[in-house]
Amino acid sequence: SQKIEQNSEALNIQEGKTATLTCNYTNYSPAYLQWYRQDPGRGPVFLLLIRENEKEKRKERLKVTFDTTLKQSLFHITASQPADSATYLCALDTGGFKTIFGAGTRLFVKA
Amino acid sequence: DTAVSQTPKYLVTQMGNDKSIKCEQNLGHDTMYWYKQDSKKFLKIMFSYNNKELIINETVPNRFSPKSPDKAHLNLHINSLELGDSAVYFCASSQDTISPWNPNEQFFGPGTRLTVL
Repeated sequence: SQKIEQNSEALNIQEGKTATLTCNYTNYSPAYLQWYRQDPGRGPVFLLLIRENEKEKRKERLKVTFDTTLKQSLFHITASQPADSATYLCALDTGGFKTIFGAGTRLFVKA
Repeated sequence: DTAVSQTPKYLVTQMGNDKSIKCEQNLGHDTMYWYKQDSKKFLKIMFSYNNKELIINETVPNRFSPKSPDKAHLNLHINSLELGDSAVYFCASSQDTISPWNPNEQFFGPGTRLTVL
């Protein structure tokens, strides 16, 4: 079955730097990959979608890449701000009627 | 104006009790979900309904029974609660059924933290 691996360690960066989060998957290549943000005590919020035929997607300060050869997606936040501190979840399709989620990476941006 | 709402926010109960969590979405979506997020933060799908019909039923104990009275509501009833049921339960909705060619984004509720003593 498909498995997703995200850095379980928290990522600490300084304000203004670029944060890079990694999502690796095993087995078959998904048709799409999504990134969500989750704040403590709240539900995940959708951020970006990237499809298998897309190499890169951007939205404001966010950028997602999708490398089907490496079986990896990278999520970048440029000019990071303390308000970007949250847990970021990677989610991908399973070839059926559901997506599966990674455990997420906690990001801390220090002022 | 809340898109996906759940009640209650917190639920503390004794082992063996029966409890329900309610979920409503006002987005006009056709598909709704229940997820369980455990202490390790993995978000695992439990059930999915499309237009009141069950389309996903993961390996969940039959003590858990979802009910969808209409496409805007998906409630979760849990019988004979066990310690291992303690988790945060999230309701979510999407415009339509998720598929590889139709990756609908999901809208999540605020979660219900269930603690079984």
